[in-house]
Amino acid sequence: SQTIHQWPATLVQPVGSPLSLECTVEGTSNPNLYWYRQAAGRGLQLLFYSIGIDQISSEVPQNLSASRPQDRQFILSSKKLLLSDSGFYLCAWSGLNTEAFFGQGTRLTVV
Amino acid sequence: AQKVTQAQTEISVVEKEDVTLDCVYETRDTTYYLFWYKQPPSGELVFLIRRNSFDEQNEISGRYSWNFQKSTSSFNFTITASQVVDSAVYFCALSENYGQNFVFGPGTRLSVLP
Repeated sequence: SQTIHQWPATLVQPVGSPLSLECTVEGTSNPNLYWYRQAAGRGLQLLFYSIGIDQISSEVPQNLSASRPQDRQFILSSKKLLLSDSGFYLCAWSGLNTEAFFGQGTRLTVV
Repeated sequence: AQKVTQAQTEISVVEKEDVTLDCVYETRDTTYYLFWYKQPPSGELVFLIRRNSFDEQNEISGRYSWNFQKSTSSFNFTITASQVVDSAVYFCALSENYGQNFVFGPGTRLSVLP
């Protein structure tokens, strides 16, 4: 069966520090991969999605970037965090014509 | 462009009441998928149901039921005999392009009081 792993679960980082959140999927090949952000009490904002290695679309201009170095690995990065980057980050995967399956999320607090 | 609207920001009901969560969507595609997800306090999104645009049959799963109406672009979710464990934020979502892009509504926070 397919599983998705996302880490870390919580993270507290100072303003101006770098960020790297990792997400891996097991049990499937060539998944569509997504990064979403959820601000406190708000809905989900799609940040990036990828349909293949090195094929990444950015939905919102921001301080973040994404990379997909391997078929089932999706990384969210920032060179310098801002206070506004705080939020709940969710990684997800989907197949062709399937629902999206979500990781457990990373709660990022920038201080 | 695709868009999902959930007009109800928060709903409170007393246990055992029925509650309906509304979802209205916009899309120009003729082929699309609709979803409902539940987000309990732990934060993880739990998939509840998927519907494709060619299947307007309503669905019932235990206390949950879904009403899909293309004529009004709505995909409403009803919980019958609500329970405290149903308390969560519920998201409606839309996918075009064979699942390459999921757009979520703003969510409805449901509180079921004992």
